[in-house]
Amino acid sequence: DAMVIQNPRYQVTQFGKPVTLSCSQTLNHNVMYWYQQKSSQAPKLLFHYYDKDFNNEADTPDNFQSRRPNTSFCFLDIRSPGLGDAAMYLCATSRVVTDTQYFGPGTRLTVL
Amino acid sequence: AQTVTQSQPEMSVQEAETVTLSCTYDTSESDYYLFWYKQPPSRQMILVIRQEAYKQQNATENRFSVNFQKAAKSFSLKISDSQLGDAAMYFCAYRGPTTSGTYKYIFGTGTRLKVLA
Repeated sequence: DAMVIQNPRYQVTQFGKPVTLSCSQTLNHNVMYWYQQKSSQAPKLLFHYYDKDFNNEADTPDNFQSRRPNTSFCFLDIRSPGLGDAAMYLCATSRVVTDTQYFGPGTRLTVL
Repeated sequence: AQTVTQSQPEMSVQEAETVTLSCTYDTSESDYYLFWYKQPPSRQMILVIRQEAYKQQNATENRFSVNFQKAAKSFSLKISDSQLGDAAMYFCAYRGPTTSGTYKYIFGTGTRLKVLA
């Protein structure tokens, strides 16, 4: 089945230690998104890629970076995680930006 | 700036009954999309229903339907014949253009739906 896969499902890191979250898709969608969802809050879009074009949300901290080496994969890098970065990170894809988004199961990040 | 508001943090419905979840939004755009997503506990978010703003007809997907009132900027979700599997967090989402030529995707804060047996 075509799907959006996120690895790992649970990630624990230490304060200030860089961490990378992974997302892959078999849908061959052009657009890939990264969201941050804190407990009992709405998902907040961090950035998205349309093909290789990177689109950063204005209020996304510089601590968050992303890479998309090819159509299938997209990575979220947190350069120096703080306690406030503990959250669920959701990856989503869509065929084009106007289309429905398909979400992965998320990676829950804990920062010690 | 565009906003999405879900004023009901939590709702309950008896199994087989009907429930309506509210969503209001604010935008100055005329061409946009609205969505309802469902996020079951510890499971991934999935699309429930989608509405294009240029369509006057309300979207329907089986037991799920919307009441889209463009002038009032209201987009409520009606779930008929509620089932235990409908229990989840429901997010209303808006997707539309921004003045800078990019696109904005905004989620509401969610409504937790409990289905009572």
